[in-house]
Amino acid sequence: AQSVAQPEDQVNVAEGNPLTVKCTYSVSGNPYLFWYVQYPNRGLQFLLKYITGDNLVKGSYGFEAEFNKSQTSFHLKKPSALVSDSALYFCAVRAAGNKLTFGGGTRVLVKP
Amino acid sequence: GAVVSQHPSWVICKSGTSVKIECRSLDFQATTMFWYRQFPKQSLMLMATSNEGSKATYEQGVEKDKFLINHASLTLSTLTVTSAHPEDSSFYICSAANRPAGLAGISDTQYFGPGTRLTVL
Repeated sequence: AQSVAQPEDQVNVAEGNPLTVKCTYSVSGNPYLFWYVQYPNRGLQFLLKYITGDNLVKGSYGFEAEFNKSQTSFHLKKPSALVSDSALYFCAVRAAGNKLTFGGGTRVLVKP
Repeated sequence: GAVVSQHPSWVICKSGTSVKIECRSLDFQATTMFWYRQFPKQSLMLMATSNEGSKATYEQGVEKDKFLINHASLTLSTLTVTSAHPEDSSFYICSAANRPAGLAGISDTQYFGPGTRLTVL
């Protein structure tokens, strides 16, 4: 069975500083990995995905993620965080039947 | 593109009544839609997979007679919470998979609706 771990419940960062949200996964076969962001009382917004190809994936709103097969990680990054990036971030892995298994989520707080 | 809507955005109902939530893909066709449940400060829990023209597939522990799913067309799936009770109060989110032409399967991305907050009194 596949699983996703987001080891940090919350990440605090000052505006303008780099932001990293960690994600590790466990899956049999090729991993299809996703990052979503959720704002309060809203659904999830798709940020980016890794299917195959280049290990560095660029997504929406200046976010990118690096796929590392040896470390089974897919960390989300942004070079310069904005206050508006404060939200809940979910990493997910796709399994059979296009089902997504989500990590527990990481709350990001960007302080001005 | 790839917009998913849900209606209503919030609903309050009395215990014992039934509530229907609609999920629509606005600018693409979705043969598969998914229904999730999210408790406060928790991750999403997949409830069921909704397949157009066939029965939904429920995850273990989800009562299919309580959470009725109908996928009437390629753009609409409905979730009906029957005989709702306070413990059914939650945030319900649907998603639809947008499949790029010619890349069946591997490139599917799920796009999520804005969610429906259900409160059962």
